[in-house]
Amino acid sequence: GAVVSQHPSWVICKSGTSVKIECRSLDFQATTMFWYRQFPKQSLMLMATSNEGSKATYEQGVEKDKFLINHASLTLSTLTVTSAHPEDSSFYICSAGLNYGYTFGSGTRLTVV
Amino acid sequence: QQPVQSPQAVILREGEDAVINCSSSKALYSVHWYRQKHGEAPVFLMILLKGGEQKGHDKISASFNEKKQQSSLYLTASQLSYSGTYFCGTDSGGYQKVTFGTGTKLQVIP
Repeated sequence: GAVVSQHPSWVICKSGTSVKIECRSLDFQATTMFWYRQFPKQSLMLMATSNEGSKATYEQGVEKDKFLINHASLTLSTLTVTSAHPEDSSFYICSAGLNYGYTFGSGTRLTVV
Repeated sequence: QQPVQSPQAVILREGEDAVINCSSSKALYSVHWYRQKHGEAPVFLMILLKGGEQKGHDKISASFNEKKQQSSLYLTASQLSYSGTYFCGTDSGGYQKVTFGTGTKLQVIP
């Protein structure tokens, strides 16, 4: 149980375009989801906390106008990288908290060319 | 601030034991441990709540010393499948907002 499905697994986009990443909780309701970014050989860095029905909370240094987060239902949170640039290329991972820990989506590898 | 893990990397032979440490500069509500294989998302191993508890399953266990703001992960009789990067995650406020540690790359060789 407690599966988080993340799509797409990978995406290549042109510089200047926008990319949407979806994160769905399949068998539970997630009022809160978290979005992380991980650069090669580095740790996961929290970008924002996504709250169902309200605005996301962004970590310091994360541009909220560039990384749009929408959490319109209890099972779906989306991250849109707007006007993507090569420096946005990274591994993006969502997660949801459970009573006993956390479960992660499978991650999305974004490459901006 | 990001929790600091030590060692940064370790190579073990199958059957050997290892200890990975996680140290935070903040008071902690809980500590989590994760293992990440290359190219994959992290996999949750266990969570420890403040109160100085110790947990384990099979040959992987962990301890949490809230006074020292430290946690340790113990891997005994390591197996090849234990290879990966281990991250601790800390939560200082009980709000489920986890800050990941610097990571420890573990390689188990035959």
